[in-house]
Amino acid sequence: RKEVEQDPGPFNVPEGATVAFNCTYSNSASQSFFWYRQDCRKEPKLLMSVYSSGNEDGRFTAQLNRASQYISLLIRDSKLSDSATYLCVVRPGANNLFFGTGTRLTVIP
Amino acid sequence: ETGVTQTPRHLVMGMTNKKSLKCEQHLGHNAMYWYKQSAKKPLELMFVYNFKEQTENNSVPSRFSPECPNSSHLFLHLHTLQPEDSALYLCASSQNRGQGAGEQYFGPGTRLTVT
Repeated sequence: RKEVEQDPGPFNVPEGATVAFNCTYSNSASQSFFWYRQDCRKEPKLLMSVYSSGNEDGRFTAQLNRASQYISLLIRDSKLSDSATYLCVVRPGANNLFFGTGTRLTVIP
Repeated sequence: ETGVTQTPRHLVMGMTNKKSLKCEQHLGHNAMYWYKQSAKKPLELMFVYNFKEQTENNSVPSRFSPECPNSSHLFLHLHTLQPEDSALYLCASSQNRGQGAGEQYFGPGTRLTVT
């Protein structure tokens, strides 16, 4: 079983729409969770950390469900500039990061 | 942004060549990483260095040889590669390997094609 699983998409949504991505992880001992963003032909960049109580950063909301071992990212009022691949990332304990394959989002005018 | 730089950005090499990839970070970080990104696959961690010491080798074939002369520089020496090694090679750094490892800063990558 993969460490981190994501729906690869693509998700094609109109501007202004709300879109949500889910991600599941296999290691129940995982301690830290993140969403990274990767634009086409660019490097991944940290979008936000995911905290147990859930957290929000502007139009972006991240949530963690430890019981079901999944993480979600909600994007409200989508902008054209949100088009990218969103990578779910899990850090089990003090070890290194495990990346998902990413979910591709295209926001359409 | 020039936090983490990588050279070359593109590399085409034959299977018998020897080449090196270079990474430099200007962020004062202590941990550096090499990742491989292939199409439709997740980023694969290859090597981790913390305070210049290699702390992880993720079962990487010996045709890939890392070198970390100091905390700011990381090299990946390549020799007798296979076509399936063609991929984007990304370097990253983080403050430390432990608690701070979640926030990693990536370089732009080297797009490697092995012919």
